[in-house]
Amino acid sequence: KAGVTQTPRYLIKTRGQQVTLSCSPISGHRSVSWYQQTPGQGLQFLFEYFSETQRNKGNFPGRFSGRQFSNSRSEMNVSTLELGDSALYLCASCPGELNSPLHFGNGTRLTVT
Amino acid sequence: SQQGEEDPQALSIQEGENATMNCSYKTSINNLQWYRQNSGRGLVHLILIRSNEREKHSGRLRVTLDTSKKSSSLLITASRAADTASYFCATEVDMRFGAGTRLTVKP
Repeated sequence: KAGVTQTPRYLIKTRGQQVTLSCSPISGHRSVSWYQQTPGQGLQFLFEYFSETQRNKGNFPGRFSGRQFSNSRSEMNVSTLELGDSALYLCASCPGELNSPLHFGNGTRLTVT
Repeated sequence: SQQGEEDPQALSIQEGENATMNCSYKTSINNLQWYRQNSGRGLVHLILIRSNEREKHSGRLRVTLDTSKKSSSLLITASRAADTASYFCATEVDMRFGAGTRLTVKP
């Protein structure tokens, strides 16, 4: 099985712009979660989607949004980028059942200048 | 705040030594999971221990779970330089991660 694929791998944007990141989960996985990782704040949970519905949400401002499509692929969008949004964004998928571990992609490195 | 919190924050050992890191959590759980992250990469699932298990082994990894103390430990035996990474725990309650333990294994 192919692993979790995140695109693009690297991205450079300017303050005020918006960005869309993509995540293709492992085939058959219905849950997709997004995390932001920075040196200062560590690994923070953004949100989780299951069968196209947002099931859980972290404490991020409304500038951060996401969605999931019927094929379980997910996108996250950040609008009005700030310098502090520079981070490694990680996506993880799992079947969605209890006791199923997360499978992570290698992330998208976003740099905001 | 998240369920899982790892300690110590950093650990430096020599190759061949054992490494022990700990995880504490707040509420009742069904399972606890340990993950490893190499620099700049995604996390890799190492092992899952269920709440009715006290100990679990996988290769050089040994995980214990004490539900009365709401804590878990991860032991890596006979460590190698390739074990250098950050280690995280999470529970199924929220699948949120702490700051992790940064393990450095010196050759």
